[in-house]
Amino acid sequence: SQQGEEDPQALSIQEGENATMNCSYKTSINNLQWYRQNSGRGLVHLILIRSNEREKHSGRLRVTLDTSKKSSSLLITASRAADTASYFCATDAVYNTDKLIFGTGTRLQVFP
Amino acid sequence: NAGVTQTPKFRVLKTGQSMTLLCAQDMNHEYMYWYRQDPGMGLRLIHYSVGEGTTAKGEVPDGYNVSRLKKQNFLLGLESAAPSQTSVYFCASSWDRENRGRMFRETQYFGPGTRLLVL
Repeated sequence: SQQGEEDPQALSIQEGENATMNCSYKTSINNLQWYRQNSGRGLVHLILIRSNEREKHSGRLRVTLDTSKKSSSLLITASRAADTASYFCATDAVYNTDKLIFGTGTRLQVFP
Repeated sequence: NAGVTQTPKFRVLKTGQSMTLLCAQDMNHEYMYWYRQDPGMGLRLIHYSVGEGTTAKGEVPDGYNVSRLKKQNFLLGLESAAPSQTSVYFCASSWDRENRGRMFRETQYFGPGTRLLVL
């Protein structure tokens, strides 16, 4: 089945640095979404990018989408300790928009 | 608005026992989902519903049943719990957006999760 796969699995940085995580998927999509999960909590939606968009910004977040390579990246600029969390990409599929398929996530640790 | 709520927050079961997890949303969303999350495996879709009275199987449906008798509620049942069902269960809901005659699923809103331990 289609699945988004994040890279790296874990990332440790210092406050103020930028964090970049990548997501790859297998089949044509309508949109790709990024979610954040703090330890022990539910997922929170960060940003949605549609298949006809190449870049999107939201505050300190920048998402790019390359449908030819079937990949996306999430950049968090000027990271803060509060950004420590797991980040997941999720994709729907052109042939089945009823559900999202989530990747296994990137664990980001931001040290003060 | 409370958003998406889940009951209970934590439960311990013995093998073979049954239980029902309740998910409720107050956003009038058509679509609801049940996922399980295990270490290193991300979220896996168990069952989902595209409207009141409808349900469909997801990626890992075996051992679970669901019902959507009311639009705002989505119930997940374990008829005979097994240790392999020890996990954190998340419910989510979403809505549709129409664009040029096609319907696209939008953002999913998640509940806080239910931790289930099966001994």
